[in-house]
Formats: sequence, C-alpha cells, structure tokens
Amino acid sequence: GAVVSQHPSWVICKSGTSVKIECRSLDFQATTMFWYRQFPKQSLMLMATSNEGSKATYEQGVEKDKFLINHASLTLSTLTVTSAHPEDSSFYICSASGTSGINEQFFGPGTRLTVL
Amino acid sequence: LAKTTQPISMDSYEGQEVNITCSHNNIATNDYITWYQQFPSQGPRFIIQGYKTKVTNEVASLFIPADRKSSTLSLPRVSLSDTAVYYCLVGDTTGANNLFFGTGTRLTVIP
Repeated sequence: GAVVSQHPSWVICKSGTSVKIECRSLDFQATTMFWYRQFPKQSLMLMATSNEGSKATYEQGVEKDKFLINHASLTLSTLTVTSAHPEDSSFYICSASGTSGINEQFFGPGTRLTVL
Repeated sequence: LAKTTQPISMDSYEGQEVNITCSHNNIATNDYITWYQQFPSQGPRFIIQGYKTKVTNEVASLFIPADRKSSTLSLPRVSLSDTAVYYCLVGDTTGANNLFFGTGTRLTVIP
C-alpha cells in the first residue's frame, strides 16, 4: 500500500527558532500533498494544499509567511514553522494523494512540535 | 462544502458490534463517503470508502441508504484495540470537500 513518512516524529525547540518538517511519499508519486494541524482533543484542521512545482494554497487564517511549504518533488513536501512560539505547539500531519485523485489520501504518522 | 455530523462519543463492550452513523444531508452526486480511524498521536488510517448501498472489507462494513444523506460504519466484534476516534468525510475525486474533518466519534471499548 501507499506509505507516507514524516520526519522528525517529534521535535522540541526554543521560541523564536524555525523548524522544518519533511513529508515523503515512499512508494508512489504524490501530485498533491496536504498539511494539517491538530490540537489536543480536537479534529484535524487543514492548513494548506501543495502541488508539486507550484505555490501552496493556504486555508483562511493560516499565515503563509509563518508556515512555509515547499513541494519541490513528487515525493517530498516540507513545512517550515518560522519563528515558532509556544502557541504553535501542535501535532502536524501531512497526507498525500497520487494520480487517482483527492479521495485517495494517505496520511503520514504525524510530527509532534513543542515550542518552549 | 459537504458537512458531516457524528456523535461525539460512544462506548461499547468488547465483542459487540458497533455502528457509528454519520449525517451528510447536502452530499453531492459525485461525492464519496470515506471513514478514517485515528489513534492518539498518529495519523488517520483509511478504513473504508463507498458511494452507495453496502461496502464490506476485512475491517468494517459501510451502509449507505438510497438517499445517501447518511452512512453507517459497522465494526464487527470490537476489541480494546478499536478504541480510537473515527472520522467520516464526504467528497468527490476532484474537489476539496474530502479534506475537511468533522468532530469525529470517540469510540471507547470497555472490557
């Protein structure tokens, strides 16, 4: 089956630093990748959609200058949280879809970010 | 945007069949219904997807009535390891509806 990995699985950083999270599709080409954020006891919230080679589309209320998304290849998308603050602490999850369409979403294991 | 409504939580004893219903009154003609399972601190895992009537796989069954305004995920003989949050999503293969998660249903299986 389609496998999506994320790295790192968890990260702790100081306030004001930047953190990069990688999302890789291991056995298929992901034309579209999605980034979600999930706070404790809450549902997943879509942050942005990225297509390979083009700029990401951000959901309303998500700061594109703070959450930089790069989808440079068909197997890799990165999310960089710039100048992280404690309120950015959350569980970040990526998903990917291939040529079969958006219904076929494969999720990564998530990355736990804690900003001190 | 097809919105879904599910019960916030459910409890069940081990070995019982669990049915979780999702309402999606404004489902569009091209929309499919997809269910995901999520354990704490993990990404969602695909369970089942359907368009109409009944779909069954090795994990669950999905029942969809003729009007498609609701769907029911059926988990046969649940075990403690089925304790998780279950999400119902509605969308088509090209639109964005399938990307928005509702509240989900937190299933707790009791020994």
